[in-house]
Amino acid sequence: NAGVTQTPKFQVLKTGQSMTLQCAQDMNHNSMYWYRQDPGMGLRLIYYSASEGTTDKGEVPNGYNVSRLNKREFSLRLESAAPSQTSVYFCASSEDRGLRGYTFGSGTRLTVV
Amino acid sequence: KQEVTQIPAALSVPEGENLVLNCSFTDSAIYNLQWFRQDPGKGLTSLLLIQSSQREQTSGRLNASLDKSSGRSTLYIAASQPGDSATYLCAVSVLQGAQKLVFGQGTRLTINP
Repeated sequence: NAGVTQTPKFQVLKTGQSMTLQCAQDMNHNSMYWYRQDPGMGLRLIYYSASEGTTDKGEVPNGYNVSRLNKREFSLRLESAAPSQTSVYFCASSEDRGLRGYTFGSGTRLTVV
Repeated sequence: KQEVTQIPAALSVPEGENLVLNCSFTDSAIYNLQWFRQDPGKGLTSLLLIQSSQREQTSGRLNASLDKSSGRSTLYIAASQPGDSATYLCAVSVLQGAQKLVFGQGTRLTINP
């Protein structure tokens, strides 16, 4: 099925460990996004990529890095995980800068202990 | 800075009732507005997308309206069913470079049989 695929679905990390969250879309969308969702805070934008080859910071970028590997793939890396990064992470994509809306993946539930 | 507010935060109604969920935003310079549904522990499912030039959109028992000048949108659910129980999120696409979504905190809806 066409859409946004995220891996892994669940992950537990120890403080200080690193990991990369993967995201791929097969809708030929130009723009891709990483959000985190926390209770009481809603969804907040971490980083986005307006088009292949570009990335920009969102609302809460500290502690994260991203790579737009190609048009399909946009990864999020935690270099040294902290308990404050415990959250649910969502990847999204859009065509034509959101003209036809946004499509979200099913999320990665990350716990940092 | 664009802010999105959803009222009420939670709503519980008996099955069969018609209901309205509210969303307000502070800056009328939006590209479009999208309503999502989120089931517990799951991702976001797009319900309706309203472009800034439109007044409403309908899909089955759902109707969403948009009044950009007053910064308001409503999601009307007709003949509610227990399967409608979920959290409903409103998000506006802002006109700042690459379009990005700003989310409300959501309304947690429970339909009682």
